[in-house]
Amino acid sequence: QSVLTQPPSVSGAPGQRVTIPCTGSSSNIGAGYDVHWYQQLPGTAPKLLIFGVRNRPSGVPDRFSGSKSGTSASLAITGLQAEDEADYYCQSYDSTLSGWVFGGGTKLTVL
Amino acid sequence: QVTLRESGPALLKPTQTLTLTCTFSGFSLTTSGMCVSWIRQPPGKALEWLARIDWDDDKYYSTSLKTRLTISKDTSKNQVVLTMTNMDPVDTGTYYCARMSGSGWFTWFDSWGQGTLVTVSS
Repeated sequence: QSVLTQPPSVSGAPGQRVTIPCTGSSSNIGAGYDVHWYQQLPGTAPKLLIFGVRNRPSGVPDRFSGSKSGTSASLAITGLQAEDEADYYCQSYDSTLSGWVFGGGTKLTVL
Repeated sequence: QVTLRESGPALLKPTQTLTLTCTFSGFSLTTSGMCVSWIRQPPGKALEWLARIDWDDDKYYSTSLKTRLTISKDTSKNQVVLTMTNMDPVDTGTYYCARMSGSGWFTWFDSWGQGTLVTVSS
Protein backbone atom coordinates (compact mmCIF):
# COMPACT_ATOMS: atom_id res chain seq x y z
CA GLN A 1 0.00 0.00 0.00
CA SER A 2 1.65 3.22 -1.18
CA VAL A 3 1.58 6.36 0.95
CA LEU A 4 0.46 8.36 -2.09
CA THR A 5 -2.62 6.98 -3.84
CA GLN A 6 -3.00 6.90 -7.61
CA PRO A 7 -5.56 5.11 -9.80
CA PRO A 8 -4.06 1.95 -11.32
CA SER A 9 -5.02 3.00 -14.83
CA VAL A 10 -6.42 5.80 -16.96
CA SER A 11 -7.05 5.97 -20.69
CA GLY A 12 -7.85 8.44 -23.40
CA ALA A 13 -8.04 8.79 -27.15
CA PRO A 14 -5.38 10.60 -29.16
CA GLY A 15 -5.79 14.35 -28.88
CA GLN A 16 -7.81 14.16 -25.68
CA ARG A 17 -6.93 15.45 -22.20
CA VAL A 18 -6.42 13.15 -19.23
CA THR A 19 -5.63 13.81 -15.60
CA ILE A 20 -3.89 11.57 -13.09
CA PRO A 21 -4.66 12.32 -9.44
CA CYS A 22 -2.29 11.72 -6.54
CA THR A 23 -3.85 11.71 -3.09
CA GLY A 24 -1.72 12.13 0.01
CA SER A 25 -2.22 13.21 3.60
CA SER A 26 -1.31 15.81 6.19
CA SER A 27 2.17 14.33 6.60
CA ASN A 28 3.20 14.71 2.97
CA ILE A 29 1.37 16.76 0.32
CA GLY A 30 -0.90 18.39 2.90
CA ALA A 31 2.12 19.40 4.98
CA GLY A 32 3.32 21.57 2.13
CA TYR A 33 5.95 19.27 0.63
CA ASP A 34 6.30 19.55 -3.11
CA VAL A 35 4.99 16.93 -5.53
CA HIS A 36 7.01 15.66 -8.46
CA TRP A 37 6.03 13.43 -11.37
CA TYR A 38 7.89 10.77 -13.35
CA GLN A 39 7.17 9.00 -16.63
CA GLN A 40 8.33 5.41 -17.05
CA LEU A 41 8.15 4.06 -20.58
CA PRO A 42 8.02 0.26 -20.87
CA GLY A 43 11.32 -1.36 -20.01
CA THR A 44 13.10 1.90 -19.16
CA ALA A 45 14.10 3.90 -16.10
CA PRO A 46 11.78 6.61 -14.79
CA LYS A 47 12.25 10.09 -16.21
CA LEU A 48 11.53 13.35 -14.39
CA LEU A 49 8.43 14.96 -15.89
CA ILE A 50 7.38 17.68 -13.42
CA PHE A 51 9.23 19.03 -10.37
CA GLY A 52 8.12 21.41 -7.67
CA VAL A 53 4.41 20.80 -8.41
CA ARG A 54 4.32 22.54 -11.79
CA ASN A 55 7.79 23.00 -13.27
CA ARG A 56 8.90 21.17 -16.41
CA PRO A 57 12.53 20.20 -17.01
CA SER A 58 14.01 21.29 -20.29
CA GLY A 59 12.71 19.12 -23.12
CA VAL A 60 9.39 18.16 -21.54
CA PRO A 61 6.51 19.36 -23.74
CA ASP A 62 4.08 21.89 -22.33
CA ARG A 63 1.32 19.33 -22.91
CA PHE A 64 2.29 18.10 -19.44
CA SER A 65 1.28 20.21 -16.45
CA GLY A 66 0.99 19.76 -12.70
CA SER A 67 -1.11 21.22 -9.93
CA LYS A 68 -1.65 20.81 -6.21
CA SER A 69 -4.47 21.55 -3.79
CA GLY A 70 -4.70 20.56 -0.16
CA THR A 71 -3.62 16.95 0.28
CA SER A 72 -3.79 16.11 -3.43
CA ALA A 73 -1.94 16.79 -6.64
CA SER A 74 -2.70 16.16 -10.27
CA LEU A 75 -0.87 15.62 -13.55
CA ALA A 76 -2.65 16.74 -16.70
CA ILE A 77 -1.74 15.66 -20.20
CA THR A 78 -3.34 17.44 -23.14
CA GLY A 79 -3.25 16.49 -26.81
CA LEU A 80 -2.63 12.83 -25.99
CA GLN A 81 -0.18 11.06 -28.25
CA ALA A 82 0.61 7.37 -28.66
CA GLU A 83 4.11 8.00 -27.27
CA ASP A 84 2.57 9.12 -23.95
CA GLU A 85 1.57 5.53 -23.18
CA ALA A 86 3.57 4.79 -20.02
CA ASP A 87 3.43 4.46 -16.25
CA TYR A 88 3.29 7.72 -14.28
CA TYR A 89 4.38 8.12 -10.65
CA CYS A 90 3.93 10.98 -8.21
CA GLN A 91 6.50 11.56 -5.45
CA SER A 92 6.80 13.68 -2.33
CA TYR A 93 8.37 13.69 1.13
CA ASP A 94 6.62 12.25 4.18
CA SER A 95 7.41 13.66 7.62
CA THR A 96 5.96 10.69 9.52
CA LEU A 97 8.07 8.20 7.59
CA SER A 98 11.00 10.64 7.40
CA GLY A 99 11.60 9.68 3.81
CA TRP A 100 10.75 10.19 0.17
CA VAL A 101 7.62 8.42 -1.01
CA PHE A 102 6.07 7.45 -4.32
CA GLY A 103 2.56 6.78 -5.49
CA GLY A 104 1.55 3.33 -6.65
CA GLY A 105 1.78 4.38 -10.28
CA THR A 106 -0.82 4.88 -13.00
CA LYS A 107 -0.73 3.13 -16.35
CA LEU A 108 -1.84 5.45 -19.14
CA THR A 109 -3.31 3.74 -22.19
CA VAL A 110 -3.80 5.72 -25.39
CA LEU A 111 -6.78 4.15 -27.13
CA GLN B 1 25.86 15.69 -19.09
CA VAL B 2 24.87 13.75 -15.98
CA THR B 3 25.05 9.97 -16.17
CA LEU B 4 24.66 7.26 -13.55
CA ARG B 5 25.25 3.53 -13.91
CA GLU B 6 24.44 0.77 -11.45
CA SER B 7 26.49 -2.40 -11.14
CA GLY B 8 26.30 -5.46 -8.95
CA PRO B 9 25.31 -9.11 -8.86
CA ALA B 10 22.33 -10.24 -10.89
CA LEU B 11 21.59 -13.27 -8.72
CA LEU B 12 21.79 -13.78 -4.97
CA LYS B 13 20.75 -16.52 -2.60
CA PRO B 14 18.49 -15.84 0.39
CA THR B 15 20.33 -14.47 3.46
CA GLN B 16 23.22 -13.16 1.34
CA THR B 17 24.29 -9.51 1.35
CA LEU B 18 23.74 -7.35 -1.72
CA THR B 19 26.36 -4.76 -2.64
CA LEU B 20 25.50 -2.32 -5.41
CA THR B 21 27.71 0.39 -6.85
CA CYS B 22 26.52 3.56 -8.56
CA THR B 23 29.18 5.17 -10.74
CA PHE B 24 28.32 8.65 -11.89
CA SER B 25 29.69 11.49 -13.98
CA GLY B 26 28.72 15.05 -14.78
CA PHE B 27 28.58 16.18 -11.15
CA SER B 28 30.53 15.81 -7.93
CA LEU B 29 29.38 14.67 -4.52
CA THR B 30 31.80 17.16 -3.02
CA THR B 31 29.64 20.01 -4.31
CA SER B 32 27.41 21.62 -1.71
CA GLY B 33 23.81 20.44 -2.02
CA MET B 34 24.47 17.35 -4.10
CA CYS B 35 22.92 14.05 -3.09
CA VAL B 36 22.32 10.56 -4.51
CA SER B 37 19.61 8.07 -3.66
CA TRP B 38 18.82 4.43 -4.29
CA ILE B 39 15.34 3.39 -5.37
CA ARG B 40 14.04 -0.07 -6.20
CA GLN B 41 11.14 -1.49 -8.18
CA PRO B 42 9.88 -5.07 -7.84
CA PRO B 43 8.69 -6.57 -11.14
CA GLY B 44 5.39 -4.99 -12.15
CA LYS B 45 5.21 -2.91 -8.97
CA ALA B 46 5.78 0.64 -7.79
CA LEU B 47 8.96 2.54 -7.02
CA GLU B 48 10.30 2.48 -3.46
CA TRP B 49 12.93 4.88 -2.09
CA LEU B 50 15.66 3.14 -0.09
CA ALA B 51 18.44 5.48 0.97
CA ARG B 52 20.09 8.82 0.33
CA ILE B 53 23.58 10.21 0.92
CA ASP B 54 24.47 13.89 0.82
CA TRP B 55 27.62 15.78 -0.14
CA ASP B 56 28.36 16.37 3.57
CA ASP B 57 27.95 12.63 4.30
CA ASP B 58 24.51 12.96 5.88
CA LYS B 59 22.62 9.73 5.35
CA TYR B 60 18.93 8.88 5.31
CA TYR B 61 17.27 5.48 5.20
CA SER B 62 13.83 4.03 4.56
CA THR B 63 12.26 3.46 7.96
CA SER B 64 11.11 -0.04 7.03
CA LEU B 65 14.55 -1.15 5.79
CA LYS B 66 17.04 0.89 7.79
CA THR B 67 18.30 -2.03 9.85
CA ARG B 68 19.42 -3.77 6.64
CA LEU B 69 20.81 -0.83 4.64
CA THR B 70 24.13 0.98 4.56
CA ILE B 71 24.94 3.75 2.07
CA SER B 72 28.41 5.20 1.55
CA LYS B 73 30.35 7.24 -0.98
CA ASP B 74 33.80 7.35 -2.51
CA THR B 75 34.20 10.84 -3.90
CA SER B 76 37.58 10.04 -5.47
CA LYS B 77 35.90 7.42 -7.66
CA ASN B 78 32.56 9.22 -8.11
CA GLN B 79 30.77 6.24 -6.63
CA VAL B 80 27.96 5.56 -4.16
CA VAL B 81 27.64 2.10 -2.65
CA LEU B 82 24.55 0.50 -1.15
CA THR B 83 24.63 -2.68 0.89
CA MET B 84 21.53 -4.59 1.89
CA THR B 85 21.85 -7.51 4.27
CA ASN B 86 19.80 -10.67 4.68
CA MET B 87 18.35 -10.66 1.16
CA ASP B 88 15.02 -12.39 0.58
CA PRO B 89 13.09 -13.30 -2.59
CA VAL B 90 10.76 -10.32 -1.93
CA ASP B 91 13.79 -8.08 -2.48
CA THR B 92 13.88 -9.14 -6.13
CA GLY B 93 13.60 -6.17 -8.44
CA THR B 94 15.35 -3.46 -10.40
CA TYR B 95 17.56 -1.20 -8.32
CA TYR B 96 18.17 2.35 -9.51
CA CYS B 97 20.48 5.09 -8.34
CA ALA B 98 19.42 8.66 -8.98
CA ARG B 99 20.79 12.13 -8.42
CA MET B 100 18.59 14.42 -6.40
CA SER B 101 18.06 18.13 -6.93
CA GLY B 102 16.37 20.72 -4.78
CA SER B 103 16.94 21.57 -1.14
CA GLY B 104 16.41 19.70 2.11
CA TRP B 105 13.15 17.75 2.01
CA PHE B 106 12.06 19.57 -1.16
CA THR B 107 14.07 17.35 -3.43
CA TRP B 108 13.36 15.26 -6.48
CA PHE B 109 15.16 12.66 -8.60
CA ASP B 110 16.35 14.49 -11.70
CA SER B 111 18.69 11.95 -13.28
CA TRP B 112 18.41 8.17 -13.12
CA GLY B 113 20.64 5.26 -13.96
CA GLN B 114 19.36 2.52 -16.26
CA GLY B 115 18.83 0.19 -13.31
CA THR B 116 20.15 -3.25 -12.49
CA LEU B 117 17.95 -6.30 -12.01
CA VAL B 118 18.64 -8.26 -8.85
CA THR B 119 17.04 -11.68 -8.40
CA VAL B 120 17.02 -13.44 -5.05
CA SER B 121 16.46 -17.17 -5.36
CA SER B 122 17.74 -20.37 -3.87
